[in-house]
Order: sequence, then structure tokens, then C-alpha cells
Amino acid sequence: DSGVTQTPKHLITATGQRVTLRCSPRSGDLSVYWYQQSLDQGLQFLIQYYNGEERAKGNILERFSAQQFPDLHSELNLSSLELGDSALYFCASSVDPGGGETQYFGPGTRLLVL
Amino acid sequence: DAKTTQPNSMESNEEEPVHLPCNHSTISGTDYIHWYRQLPSQGPEYVIHGLTSNVNNRMASLAIAEDRKSSTLILHRATLRDAAVYYCILRISNFGNEKLTFGTGTRLTIIP
Repeated sequence: DSGVTQTPKHLITATGQRVTLRCSPRSGDLSVYWYQQSLDQGLQFLIQYYNGEERAKGNILERFSAQQFPDLHSELNLSSLELGDSALYFCASSVDPGGGETQYFGPGTRLLVL
Repeated sequence: DAKTTQPNSMESNEEEPVHLPCNHSTISGTDYIHWYRQLPSQGPEYVIHGLTSNVNNRMASLAIAEDRKSSTLILHRATLRDAAVYYCILRISNFGNEKLTFGTGTRLTIIP
């Protein structure tokens, strides 16, 4: 158990819909990262927040957005969903940013868009 | 980001040592070498990391070549629970660039 929690575990929805994925980082971790894992693209970095502020953006679509709240939990919002958005979404956290810091990953949310 | 090259797959017998290679010929002086693994149906899990010297922890050892252009993750005695995809990742140690860039990794199969 990494200490990072993600809800829900599974999500099935239809094209065009909007969903929210939630992540609670490990106690004391200020940095949260979101990753998407699909069969054809592998694990890809989406976005990073540090202590409530956006720090880095990766290959995140404009239909997707995220935020980190004062209690440090984070939400990833996916809207106008398409079939290709079906994937595993992982959240990770670390104490603070830095190349030597370990990232701790949650169990993921499996999203299926029908 | 500097690129890493790993074999797509490897097999090893249970209770034998496993050496997982990684080439990173374009590594820069400030890049840390990280290894993560992903067990089936789970999120990635940190294994070990290093900068220049060899490193040991309870999970594995990391041997880094003197020129830092390659490294080897060593599992001293593989068990069935070590079957996973192993990712070798380079990370720059400056703020604003802390993401992990995953390649395709090496799928390790353990033979009972």
C-alpha cells in the first residue's frame, strides 16, 4: 500500500459525458502528478501540482483539467469524453519536487468510455 | 528528455539473480537514474535510484557504469512476485521538470 488513494476504482460512462477522478496523496506529500496509461500510448504524464499550484503540464488535452485543493487532494476532470479516453489514470505524490524524489503511485482509476 | 533503451522482455528462473540492463548514452551530468516496476493490475512502484555510485536497498541493487551511459538493475533472488514490467527512467534534478517519462520497459517473466 503506497498511501495514495484514488476513487473510484472503475468508471464506465458514455461518449460526450464528463467525469471526475479523485486522488488523495500520502500524508505530508505536497506534490501530485497525474498519468494516463493506455494500450497504445503507454504511461504518459498529464499534469503536476505542487501545494495547490500547477507546476508542469504534459500531454494533457484541453478537454481535461485538474486542480489541487487546500487539503492537498487533487481532482482530474475529463469532459466531452471520447472512446480513446478509455485508459487507466494514475495519481502519484511526492514530498516535494526534485529529480531524486520518489513518486508513490495510487492503484489507479480504470475508465471505460462506451 | 534523455532517452533510455531496454530489452522488451526477459525471462529468469525463480530464486536466481536477474540482471536487467538499461542503456542511456545521452545521459547528462545532472540526470538521476530511476527504476520503477509495475506489477499486473497495479500502479508503478519505486524500486531504486542513483546518480553515480552503485546503490543497494532491500529490493534490489543498481550498478551504474563508470561513464554513466548504462546501468543494470539487479534482483538478487527473483521470486514469482517480481514478475512485472521494469522501467528505467532518467530524471533531471531541477524544479519544474519532475515528471517521470516512462518508456516501454522490460517485461520480466519468472519461471517457477
